[in-house]
Amino acid sequence: GAGVSQSPSNKVTEKGKDVELRCDPISGHTALYWYRQSLGQGLEFLIYFQGNSAPDKSGLPSDRFSAERTGGSVSTLTIQRTQQEDSAVYLCASSLGVDTGELFFGEGSRLTVL
Amino acid sequence: AQRVTQPEKLLSVFKGAPVELKCNYSYSGSPELFWYVQYSRQRLQLLLRHISRESIKGFTADLNKGETSFHLKKPFAQEEDSAMYYCALTRTGGFKTIFGAGTRLFVKA
Repeated sequence: GAGVSQSPSNKVTEKGKDVELRCDPISGHTALYWYRQSLGQGLEFLIYFQGNSAPDKSGLPSDRFSAERTGGSVSTLTIQRTQQEDSAVYLCASSLGVDTGELFFGEGSRLTVL
Repeated sequence: AQRVTQPEKLLSVFKGAPVELKCNYSYSGSPELFWYVQYSRQRLQLLLRHISRESIKGFTADLNKGETSFHLKKPFAQEEDSAMYYCALTRTGGFKTIFGAGTRLFVKA
């Protein structure tokens, strides 16, 4: 498929464990976003990669959260020492680039921290 | 700071009734506004954007810079319009896109 792909689709982990969530954007898309979707909180911006520019990390809620994007393509969101409040759906989106507007979303990774 | 506000978490209307989903924003520059929709068990997807000035699935939205609003409207709601709707904002120059909290629309038969 040519859409944004995320894995795993579901992840259940124990409090205190580290998790990694992966995003494969649409080929050729230079912009990549991570959002967190939880009940009552809407879509919370986490981090934004645009080409070779320094990422906008202003939405990361704590230093337990980090993300990287290798080779301008695949991205990994890492949550260290998970807490129960980290439970949410983590959405990845990509877009063609600067000023192209439309974001294309993946199906999300549902994280449950017990 | 830029912010998108959707004051209604849930909106319930009868089929055939008009519907308006409210969106207000705060931004000092020239924003670009969007509406995204997520139907049950589907991905979040773009519904419409203000620069296109088009009607999608009978929905329209007008950017009112004076009131800093971008309300989504449809004159006659259909059951298949039931979904989660998000208002979003960005600006030119490679700025991030931020979203509101979303409004769940439920259209009753």
